[in-house]
Amino acid sequence: EDKVVQSPLSLVVHEGDTVTLNCSYEVTNFRSLLWYKQEKKAPTFLFMLTSSGIEKKSGRLSSILDKKELFSILNITATQTGDSAVYLCVIQGAQKLVFGQGTRLTINP
Amino acid sequence: DGGITQSPKYLFRKEGQNVTLSCEQNLNHDAMYWYRQDPGQGLRLIYYSQIVNDFQKGDIAEGYSVSREKKESFPLTVTSAQKNPTAFYLCASSPQTARGEKLFFGSGTQLSVL
Repeated sequence: EDKVVQSPLSLVVHEGDTVTLNCSYEVTNFRSLLWYKQEKKAPTFLFMLTSSGIEKKSGRLSSILDKKELFSILNITATQTGDSAVYLCVIQGAQKLVFGQGTRLTINP
Repeated sequence: DGGITQSPKYLFRKEGQNVTLSCEQNLNHDAMYWYRQDPGQGLRLIYYSQIVNDFQKGDIAEGYSVSREKKESFPLTVTSAQKNPTAFYLCASSPQTARGEKLFFGSGTQLSVL
């Protein structure tokens, strides 16, 4: 059975800290791994990763994929209160998307 | 502005009642999806549609029904057969099926049972 496991499920840090969110997976017919940010209600797309070892960066956010060990990490440096959200890891298979449970990140001022 | 509109934001269902959640998109996307989100769980696929007048069951279709009479619209009915309907429901669309990087989500409907 396909599954995506994120850790931790919940994380509370202070503004300015650096955080690392983890995603491990077991999925047949892997095509890509995606990260979404869900604040308020509608998830929004952050990154798509298809190749191992190539870091994707967008401002203070970065992510990398290890297809041998079947995991990905999402790093956020110099966190701000606006980074507070649920971060979803999603695997795109041949015909479907498999979602992780999400990590709820809270940034305290 | 292009996007996906879900309504209502909050919905209450009485026992034995069917309720319908609305999802409309003006992105000209072919594929549309309904997901259910429960606390501490990932999004689970209820139904999806790749084209007008066609739809397929997802992983948890029991107790739900959909229609796709127009490209823009993909309403979800939660029937009385769904015994645990309290959840957050997200509608999404994409130009083609299973293109996660091009998936756009609505703002969701929170359904609660009275």
